[in-house]
Amino acid sequence: AQSVTQPDIHITVSEGASLELRCNYSYGATPYLFWYVQSPGQGLQLLLKYFSGDTLVQGIKGFEAEFKRSQSSFNLRKPSVHWSDAAEYFCAVGRDFGNEKLTFGTGTRLTIIP
Amino acid sequence: GAGVSQSPSNKVTEKGKDVELRCDPISGHTALYWYRQSLGQGLEFLIYFQGNSAPDKSGLPSDRFSAERTGGSVSTLTIQRTQQEDSAVYLCASSLEAGGQETQYFGPGTRLLVL
Repeated sequence: AQSVTQPDIHITVSEGASLELRCNYSYGATPYLFWYVQSPGQGLQLLLKYFSGDTLVQGIKGFEAEFKRSQSSFNLRKPSVHWSDAAEYFCAVGRDFGNEKLTFGTGTRLTIIP
Repeated sequence: GAGVSQSPSNKVTEKGKDVELRCDPISGHTALYWYRQSLGQGLEFLIYFQGNSAPDKSGLPSDRFSAERTGGSVSTLTIQRTQQEDSAVYLCASSLEAGGQETQYFGPGTRLLVL
């Protein structure tokens, strides 16, 4: 069965600093990979997704993620965070011939300090 | 256009009562999903509907949980004889169709508290 691990429960970053959120997946075939963001009281919003092709994926709000098959990772990065990036971030994996039944990680809560 | 909407936004109920949670997907989306977000459990898949096909119920935690989708649009998730462990945020999502590379768009969720 597929699984997703987000090893960092909570990360604190200074505004303007760079950010990297870790995501490791377990899946036998080529995965479909997603990063979602959830702001307080809001639903999940898709930041970016990877299905195939270029392993560096650009998303909204200045985020990017890199798929590394050898490390089974799909880490999310942003070169300079803004206070509005404070939220919870979820990595998810979907099946190789569909993305129904997304399997989510437990999330990483991001706090931004001035 | 309008996104996925869910109602109610909050629901408080007593243990043993039945509750119904509603989801209105994005117009034209044929696939609809229910997830549960619990403290310490993350997001769990519950059920999904694709068009007129039989739903995939493999994520439902017990037979107290059921869902239906009327006319291929609105869906209702019903929890019978609620238990305190059912307290969670229930999220609905929709996509143009299931599978492929379709993005799931999520609603704001219904926060359920069972006393």
